[in-house]
Amino acid sequence: GAVVSQHPSRVICKSGTSVKIECRSLDFQATTMFWYRQFPKQSLMLMATSNEGSKATYEQGVEKDKFLINHASLTLSTLTVTSAHPEDSSFYICSARSQAGVTTQYFGPGTRLTVL
Amino acid sequence: AQSVTQLGSHVSVSEGALVLLRCNYSSSVPPYLFWYVQYPNQGLQLLLKYTTGATLVKGINGFEAEFKKSETSFHLTKPSAHMSDAAEYFCAVSRAYPGGGNKLTFGTGTQLKVEL
Repeated sequence: GAVVSQHPSRVICKSGTSVKIECRSLDFQATTMFWYRQFPKQSLMLMATSNEGSKATYEQGVEKDKFLINHASLTLSTLTVTSAHPEDSSFYICSARSQAGVTTQYFGPGTRLTVL
Repeated sequence: AQSVTQLGSHVSVSEGALVLLRCNYSSSVPPYLFWYVQYPNQGLQLLLKYTTGATLVKGINGFEAEFKKSETSFHLTKPSAHMSDAAEYFCAVSRAYPGGGNKLTFGTGTQLKVEL
């Protein structure tokens, strides 16, 4: 149980385009989803916390207009990188917290974004 | 505020030897502590967690960790390393927020190498 999927696993796009990444909780309802960014050989940095049906809460230094987060249902959250640039290239990982298990986050497999 | 320090960005052990990955935390309130493992180009998998109760926590794949409040530590151990244990390991701390949410703060990670 507690499986989280991400789609796509890899995406390559041109500079200036927008990219949408989906995060789904497959076998539980996730009232809260988290989006992280991981640079090569570094730790995960929390970008934003997304609660179903409400606006996401962004961490300091994260541009909310650039990284659009939508959490429209209890099983789906999306991250859209708008007007992507090469410096946005990174590994993006989502996690989800179930209603029952408030202490544990279950992580998706990640999405490798490369902006040319 | 909370933080995590992982001593040793790289640890190398022989197959069959003891694995010890160090983690120290800082938290103004009683913490929840986690160890995650990450294989290349994949998301994070929960190894074990401590919330309350018994301070020695057993996880998957033969790993265990002991919460030592006096030392503010949560070191990860495994009696006998296996080649398949080679991966990146992250220690993380969180605390409960009103309303049941929690945010994870990760350490910088320790790359475990297992040699024949």
